[in-house]
Amino acid sequence: DTGVSQDPRHKITKRGQNVTFRCDPISEHNRLYWYRQTLGQGPEFLTYFQNEAQLEKSRLLSDRFSAERPKGSFSTLEIQRTEQGDSAMYLCASRLANYNEQFFGPGTRLTVL
Amino acid sequence: DQQVKQNSPSLSVQEGRISILNCDYTNSMFDYFLWYKKYPAEGPTFLISISSIKDKNEDGRFTVFLNKSAKHLSLHIVPSQPGDSAVYFCAAPRQISAGSYQLTFGKGTKLSVIP
Repeated sequence: DTGVSQDPRHKITKRGQNVTFRCDPISEHNRLYWYRQTLGQGPEFLTYFQNEAQLEKSRLLSDRFSAERPKGSFSTLEIQRTEQGDSAMYLCASRLANYNEQFFGPGTRLTVL
Repeated sequence: DQQVKQNSPSLSVQEGRISILNCDYTNSMFDYFLWYKKYPAEGPTFLISISSIKDKNEDGRFTVFLNKSAKHLSLHIVPSQPGDSAVYFCAAPRQISAGSYQLTFGKGTKLSVIP
């Protein structure tokens, strides 16, 4: 399978705990995005990487959120001191330069109790 | 600021008939539009796209129409099949910086195709 993969698929945590999600994009895609989706909404942009450089962060990304893409391949999204409002589906997407189509992974469903 | 709007949360269609999903946008700078399909517990899957220089793009059973003057686009599925039952999202790239953009999504329309 050469699509975008995400791990874990589901995460249940207690409020105040830290969580980390991983995304492996399609191998030749140098653009990588993180989105968050809540019930009844479309995906909302969180952050964007071009190779290893994080070029854009949404206002939605509070200082409890951090994302990395250390070698320009896989990326991680960490949420510190989770809150119940962080419960959502976290989606990763990647694309090739000069193409508009983004390809999404299956998402990580986070539930904060 | 919802720049991409899908005003119908749900749509039910009989199998074999046409499904029409609508999308409106407010940003006249958008020059490309995409439709994604999403099944429960899965990520969105790219379906079809259209450039603003065109008014129609067709791919098998799926056709997207763009009316720039009305800032409106629609996705037609003919004939509809039960496997088309999913949530459909309209999206447009919004520029972040030169050569970089993020996708702005509508809230989605849940399509149910009844056998």
